[in-house]
Amino acid sequence: ETGVTQSPTHLIKTRGQQVTLRCSSQSGHNTVSWYQQALGQGPQFIFQYYREEENGRGNFPPRFSGLQFPNYSSELNVNALELDDSALYLCASRDGPERYGYTFGSGTRLTVV
Amino acid sequence: AQTVTQSQPEMSVQEAETVTLSCTYDTSESNYYLFWYKQPPSRQMILVIRQEAYKQQNATENRFSVNFQKAAKSFSLKISDSQLGDTAMYFCAFTYTGANSKLTFGKGITLSVRP
Repeated sequence: ETGVTQSPTHLIKTRGQQVTLRCSSQSGHNTVSWYQQALGQGPQFIFQYYREEENGRGNFPPRFSGLQFPNYSSELNVNALELDDSALYLCASRDGPERYGYTFGSGTRLTVV
Repeated sequence: AQTVTQSQPEMSVQEAETVTLSCTYDTSESNYYLFWYKQPPSRQMILVIRQEAYKQQNATENRFSVNFQKAAKSFSLKISDSQLGDTAMYFCAFTYTGANSKLTFGKGITLSVRP
């Protein structure tokens, strides 16, 4: 399988609810990162996983959590949703050194009302 | 901490002409990599070009080339023979070698190619 696939593409949730976003990476992509992109802004790093272990985290509260699975899929979970969590969430993965860059999915547009 | 600055929020260019997008960065790392990503309305980030900091030669990919000035911490993207399909947001991004490395993005620039 090629490319990075994210689901769902769009999602509307109510403030205070919990949400799980999913990402399926290419086979062999051991590193996966999640980014939050507010409208008109650059993506902000949430966290990164390498071989199912978190190995980096940005300036996001603990209610943002994640998992990476052996089949190269991963999840982003957000608890107690706030209106400011409305954004495009991007998943990115790579199979080698940093110089190769990352392959991105098309993102999940989350709207919190 | 690393920062990436893109000071031009929007640019417009006539089809077939050349345009240059600016980017500056700040870091104390010695071994790092710079990227330009394109994000069309489809939302997917597409890697346009990459530059390894230890290489003095500027990277080139078809119509896309960079002007990498390491001392000035500048990394501009030149698009030659602009095409309508180049219309998108363009992000400059930085990463480094080492534990906990991540991509740090600029705010992006919206490029419009006029027919």
